[in-house]
Amino acid sequence: SYELTQPLSVSVALGQATNLTCAGDNFGSKSVHWFQQKPGQAPVLIIYRDSNRPSGIPERFSGSTSGNTATLTISSAQVADEAVYYCQVWDSGTYVFGAGTEVTVL
Amino acid sequence: QLQLVESGPGLVKPSQTLSLTCTVSGASIGGGNNFWTWLRQPAGKGLEWIGRINKSGSTNYSPSLKSRVIMSVDTSTDQFSLNLTSVTAADTAVYYCARQMTFVTTFDNWGQGTLVTVSS
Repeated sequence: SYELTQPLSVSVALGQATNLTCAGDNFGSKSVHWFQQKPGQAPVLIIYRDSNRPSGIPERFSGSTSGNTATLTISSAQVADEAVYYCQVWDSGTYVFGAGTEVTVL
Repeated sequence: QLQLVESGPGLVKPSQTLSLTCTVSGASIGGGNNFWTWLRQPAGKGLEWIGRINKSGSTNYSPSLKSRVIMSVDTSTDQFSLNLTSVTAADTAVYYCARQMTFVTTFDNWGQGTLVTVSS
């Protein structure tokens, strides 16, 4: 089955930038999507189709893909960005999620 | 504004059937071309897709759960449902319903989730 690999955790200083990675095979043929999930809440879609932001998502969130890696960038991390971030793709008729990266803002 | 609300028993006994309903408001299931989905998340773990259904009742299920899942839709009440049979403790999780975006293979609107515990 298809797998997505994310680092377990990332720490970032307040106001600094951070890149969250998601590795998988054949990303060129897939759209990568990103979710933010805060404790006790449902996931929120923050990036779809690699780099598109839904309405209401702050501009400090951006996405890109290169080769077999997708990247979610938080340009100026805020305390409100502390959460778990999941990447997700559609593969062979199923929706596949990464295990998630926990972001801590210092 | 689209809202999805899950409802159903919070406690299910082992070997029995887990039954949940998602009620959609702010949009009509029959009025679009979306898939309506169920996902789940065990405590402290990641997200798992269970299955999806469209307004016509066409379904797709996760291969790992396919033998135990049945989904249905009622466009007259804007509800869709999940039945998961022969549950075990491993099925204990927060269950979410969500809408798949039109022509995009991801989910733009989620319910708040409902915790289902499998225990005798």
